[in-house]
Amino acid sequence: AQSVSQHNHHVILSEAASLELGCNYSYGGTVNLFWYVQYPGQHLQLLLKYFSGDPLVKGIKGFEAEFIKSKFSFNLRKPSVQWSDTAEYFCAVRSSNTGKLIFGQGTTLQVKP
Amino acid sequence: ETGVTQTPRHLVMGMTNKKSLKCEQHLGHNAMYWYKQSAKKPLELMFVYSLEERVENNSVPSRFSPECPNSSHLFLHLHTLQPEDSALYLCASSQEDYTGELFFGEGSRLTVL
Repeated sequence: AQSVSQHNHHVILSEAASLELGCNYSYGGTVNLFWYVQYPGQHLQLLLKYFSGDPLVKGIKGFEAEFIKSKFSFNLRKPSVQWSDTAEYFCAVRSSNTGKLIFGQGTTLQVKP
Repeated sequence: ETGVTQTPRHLVMGMTNKKSLKCEQHLGHNAMYWYKQSAKKPLELMFVYSLEERVENNSVPSRFSPECPNSSHLFLHLHTLQPEDSALYLCASSQEDYTGELFFGEGSRLTVL
């Protein structure tokens, strides 16, 4: 069955530190990949998405993610985090066959000022 | 403002009550979704409606009953729920092309006593 795994459940960083959140999925076919963010008390919103083309995708607020097909991974990165990046981050994968959007369990990022 | 509005934002109900959650989207989308968000678990897809027809029901207990009277409105009727059903229920919408992003509402926080 299709699944998404986020390895880091809770990450604590100081401001200006670099961030990398891991995401792996289990599905062999064509996929669309997403990272969503949920700031405290707010709705889920899209950070970035990958459909095809350049595997390095740039999103909002300085975030980027790299799709590595051979590793079934779509890790999220940011060179220098800010206190305002404190939020929960969700990786999601949609298979082209089923159209289902499956989410990982989320990673809570806490940035200390 | 996401274009997807959910009411009520908070709901407390007893196990014998009947209540409903409402979702309305103003984005012109033709697919709508219910997700359940529980702490430390992946978002669980509950129901998908495409062009007002239910296309996905992920083995959700019958005490949850969805209704989609038109492409802009989605309801989740609740009846004889259990305490473990307490969670954040998220509504989302998208264009029915299996590639578009989902736009989420802010959720309805349900507590079952």
